[in-house]
Amino acid sequence: NAGVTQTPKFRILKIGQSMTLQCTQDMNHNYMYWYRQDPGMGLKLIYYSVGAGITDKGEVPNGYNVSRSTTEDFPLRLELAAPSQTSVYFCASTTSGGAPVTDTQYFGPGTRLTVL
Amino acid sequence: GQNIDQPTEMTATEGAIVQINCTYQTSGFNGLFWYQQHAGEAPTFLSYNVLDGLEEKGRFSSFLSRSKGYSYLLLKELQMKDSASYLCAVSKAGGYNKLIFGAGTRLAVHP
Repeated sequence: NAGVTQTPKFRILKIGQSMTLQCTQDMNHNYMYWYRQDPGMGLKLIYYSVGAGITDKGEVPNGYNVSRSTTEDFPLRLELAAPSQTSVYFCASTTSGGAPVTDTQYFGPGTRLTVL
Repeated sequence: GQNIDQPTEMTATEGAIVQINCTYQTSGFNGLFWYQQHAGEAPTFLSYNVLDGLEEKGRFSSFLSRSKGYSYLLLKELQMKDSASYLCAVSKAGGYNKLIFGAGTRLAVHP
């Protein structure tokens, strides 16, 4: 049981390039999330998904796109990379989103992205 | 607005007790989570509170007062490996377990 996996671990992009950050979970979780974490800051939600084919914006979606074609995979696409997108990106998943929330989110190891 | 405040840094001695405070103002509340994050690693779950009161899990306890918008994480019998950042996160109303994170508290444990 690998949990949440992310690739690549590190990447350097030039301004204007594009890339896809991969995220896969093997826990059959319906809910998946993408966060970014800037140095000394908390995590900010970029996009989330409540199931295959259903995605929605979080706090900081500009410059990113997502898709969810399967339960397991939730890739994050960066179009036209900018220096402001230099950050550590974490993918997370959980079983449900009911109220009150009692299910923790499980995080992948992160992708460290630098845009120069 | 939505705001979660934690102290930026704390230091403590091995074997001691430390309390990390978190205050929050959010549009609705579905639960509060504490995560531990070692440098260069992913956050890992420590505890959560939905109702007022104290939740104890071994050396870690977390307290919540919803009326005051306040929580704390209590770490007992500190060990060197507890040196990490501690993130407070609130799940907003509206479902989907969307979390709002504080900036985190960097705890340094010294001998």
